[in-house]
Amino acid sequence: KAGVTQTPRYLIKTRGQQVTLSCSPISGHRSVSWYQQTPGQGLQFLFEYFSETQRNKGNFPGRFSGRQFSNSRSEMNVSTLELGDSALYLCASSPGTEFYNEQFFGPGTRLTVL
Amino acid sequence: AQTVTQSQPEMSVQEAETVTLSCTYDTSENNYYLFWYKQPPSRQMILVIRQEAYKQQNATENRFSVNFQKAAKSFSLKISDSQLGDTAMYFCAVQLNFGNEKLTFGTGTRLTIIP
Repeated sequence: KAGVTQTPRYLIKTRGQQVTLSCSPISGHRSVSWYQQTPGQGLQFLFEYFSETQRNKGNFPGRFSGRQFSNSRSEMNVSTLELGDSALYLCASSPGTEFYNEQFFGPGTRLTVL
Repeated sequence: AQTVTQSQPEMSVQEAETVTLSCTYDTSENNYYLFWYKQPPSRQMILVIRQEAYKQQNATENRFSVNFQKAAKSFSLKISDSQLGDTAMYFCAVQLNFGNEKLTFGTGTRLTIIP
């Protein structure tokens, strides 16, 4: 099985712009979670989607949004970029239906905001 | 809300030695899962080992084992016969039950294996 893929791997944007990141989960996985990793704040949970519905949400401003498509692929969008949004964005997928779900992480998208 | 604390920002050990990474956590839930993830320089997060809170027996995976003390809310990782490939950031994380995929991570321990 192919692993979790994220595109693009690297991205450079300027303040005020918006950006869309994509995550393709492992085939058959219905849950996709997003995390932001920064040196200062560490790994923080953004949100989780399951069957096209947001199931859990972290404490991020409304500029951060996401969605999931019927094929379980997920996108996250950040509008009005700020310098502090520079980070590694990781997504993780899991079946989402068992009592315990091991989450498999993608390689991440490195976003730099200038 | 869950919190995870890793008090050792950096550690180093000679190759083939044993090293223990510390982790404490806090949650009001009784049923949860604990994990150690490894993030090498390639940035790919890899699951090392997991522990179900309802199991008293400590989990082991080859050279990796945990010391799980539920009452103390402590979850340490022991790496035996350390290898150069073990050099990475190690994150401790907690996850609640089904329907809540959110992982709460600690700040990580940077482990360096010295040849």
